[in-house]
Amino acid sequence: EPEVTQTPSHQVTQMGQEVILRCVPISNHLYFYWYRQILGQKVEFLVSFYNNEISEKSEIFDDQFSVERPDGSNFTLKIRSTKLEDSAMYFCASVAGGTGELFFGEGSRLTVL
Amino acid sequence: GQSLEQPSEVTAVEGAIVQINCTYQTSGFYGLSWYQQHDGGAPTFLSYNALDGLEETGRFSSFLSRSDSYGYLLLQELQMKDSASYFCAVRTGTYKYIFGTGTRLKVLA
Repeated sequence: EPEVTQTPSHQVTQMGQEVILRCVPISNHLYFYWYRQILGQKVEFLVSFYNNEISEKSEIFDDQFSVERPDGSNFTLKIRSTKLEDSAMYFCASVAGGTGELFFGEGSRLTVL
Repeated sequence: GQSLEQPSEVTAVEGAIVQINCTYQTSGFYGLSWYQQHDGGAPTFLSYNALDGLEETGRFSSFLSRSDSYGYLLLQELQMKDSASYFCAVRTGTYKYIFGTGTRLKVLA
């Protein structure tokens, strides 16, 4: 069964450092997403990506964040200068179309010290 | 603003039926999804309602009333493995999916 894969599963970084989280969405999917979940809280929308450009972004997705699809398979989230409050689980997701079924990766846990 | 409200916690016993409600206020609405998330895991898709009415998938059913901006997830014949968090999510016109506040379901033996 096709799946979304994410790396790394866990990353520890110092405040102010740059972090890149990587995702390989399902190959025939068209829309890609990054979500964030602080422990015990809801799944928060960060950004959606379609046709090699940002479709929509939330107010959380400020200038510190960027996304890229550098090749035909990878989808990355970069945080330029991490803050303590960026500590969270980051989920990548993709969807084929209008089925309402988001496929999530297993997540990348980011810990900022 | 946009909001999706759910009860924070529901407790039920094995074999029982439980309903988890979701009321939403969003700019744009194309459908309501439900996801299950076990502790430490990723959300997994359960169901999607684009039209009013009831959708049934095994022990799980989901209902939508667009006129009331309301939906619910119904879990029947509860099992211990159903203990998890459940999130409703609204798809807006831009293929943006916004998640609700989440409901933690505890199933007791």
